[in-house]
Amino acid sequence: GENVEQHPSTLSVQEGDSAVIKCTYSDSASNYFPWYKQELGKRPQLIIDIRSNVGEKKDQRIAVTLNKTAKHFSLHITETQPEDSAVYFCAALFGFGNEKLTFGTGTRLTIIP
Amino acid sequence: DAMVIQNPRYQVTQFGKPVTLSCSQTLNHNVMYWYQQKSSQAPKLLFHYYDKDFNNEADTPDNFQSRRPNTSFCFLDIRSPGLGDAAMYLCATSIKGAGEKLFFGSGTQLSVL
Repeated sequence: GENVEQHPSTLSVQEGDSAVIKCTYSDSASNYFPWYKQELGKRPQLIIDIRSNVGEKKDQRIAVTLNKTAKHFSLHITETQPEDSAVYFCAALFGFGNEKLTFGTGTRLTIIP
Repeated sequence: DAMVIQNPRYQVTQFGKPVTLSCSQTLNHNVMYWYQQKSSQAPKLLFHYYDKDFNNEADTPDNFQSRRPNTSFCFLDIRSPGLGDAAMYLCATSIKGAGEKLFFGSGTQLSVL
């Protein structure tokens, strides 16, 4: 069945340094890969997404890269700030005709001031 | 300008006592989802409506039911809550039928005593 693996499960980074979170997916037909940020006690919010016809997408300090051949995609956060501390979930869109998102297991990112 | 509204924010019920969680949206999206999220885990899709068409996940227990009386409202009914059903329940919407760009509500934290 559909599977999205995410690692690491926890990540601590010094403020100002970069953070990288990686995900792999099982279905080579997947074509949409979003990243959600969830702060403690709050709703998940979409921060960036990428489609399979693009290899990289950037939005200010956040970037996502996609390697379709290897079936993995990564989130890159540069110049990290304390407000970047949260749980990050990757997801992949599976299925044909009744597509649905399958989420990774999450990464708890802590920015150390 | 709340877009996906869930009430209540916190719900306490007794073991075996039916409970209903509600979700409303002002986005006029055609798809509404219910996710269950347990502590430190990824959101797990329970079911979704594409317009009036109900789509149940294969591993969603029969104890969980849903109703969508109109475009704006969707309800999650738990017929006989068990201790294992204590979780955050997230409602989400999307404009397409493919799970893209989910807009989440703030969630209802359900406790079962």
